[in-house]
Amino acid sequence: GIQVEQSPPDLILQEGANSTLRCNFSDSVNNLQWFHQNPWGQLINLFYIPSGTKQNGRLSATTVATERYSLLYISSSQTTDSGVYFCAAPYNQGAQKLVFGQGTRLTINP
Amino acid sequence: DSGVTQTPKHLITATGQRVTLRCSPRSGDLSVYWYQQSLDQGLQFLIQYYNGEERAKGNILERFSAQQFPDLHSELNLSSLELGDSALYFCASSVGLVLDEQFFGPGTRLTVL
Repeated sequence: GIQVEQSPPDLILQEGANSTLRCNFSDSVNNLQWFHQNPWGQLINLFYIPSGTKQNGRLSATTVATERYSLLYISSSQTTDSGVYFCAAPYNQGAQKLVFGQGTRLTINP
Repeated sequence: DSGVTQTPKHLITATGQRVTLRCSPRSGDLSVYWYQQSLDQGLQFLIQYYNGEERAKGNILERFSAQQFPDLHSELNLSSLELGDSALYFCASSVGLVLDEQFFGPGTRLTVL
């Protein structure tokens, strides 16, 4: 099945900074999701993005399926953006079970 | 709020005991998934049900079982609990079987003492 790797593992930034989080996957995907796990443990859906680019406020994501990576951009970071960001892709093309990366822990300092 | 509900939010129990975690999917969703998040293993898929039938299994222990009821809510049963079963258990739901976005509930934090 697919392997998902995220980088960097940790990122510490000042409020107002921009950041780029990367997700590499070992096989072609027909589904890719980005999540934010907040300090209370909740997993919040950010993007469902098997290909192309999507934007939602200060966040945007791009998936280049042919090159097997996805990027999450956060602009003008706020302290509430802190937490762990996960990307996840299906185990294989016929499956729905998601394989998660190890996450990027983002800390935004005031 | 994703629309997926899980109860209880927290559960503290002793080794050897049995617990049941409950999940209600979003309205209209037929698929329910269970995931386990532990410190050493990360987020891992356990099992999927679609409209009452088991559809996929991950690394789910034999001590664990699940089912989806006619009203589409699901229960995850964990028995003969061990210290290593302490984790955050998430339920997710999606509309159908494939290529669907999964939405996650708030999780149940299980602590085995």
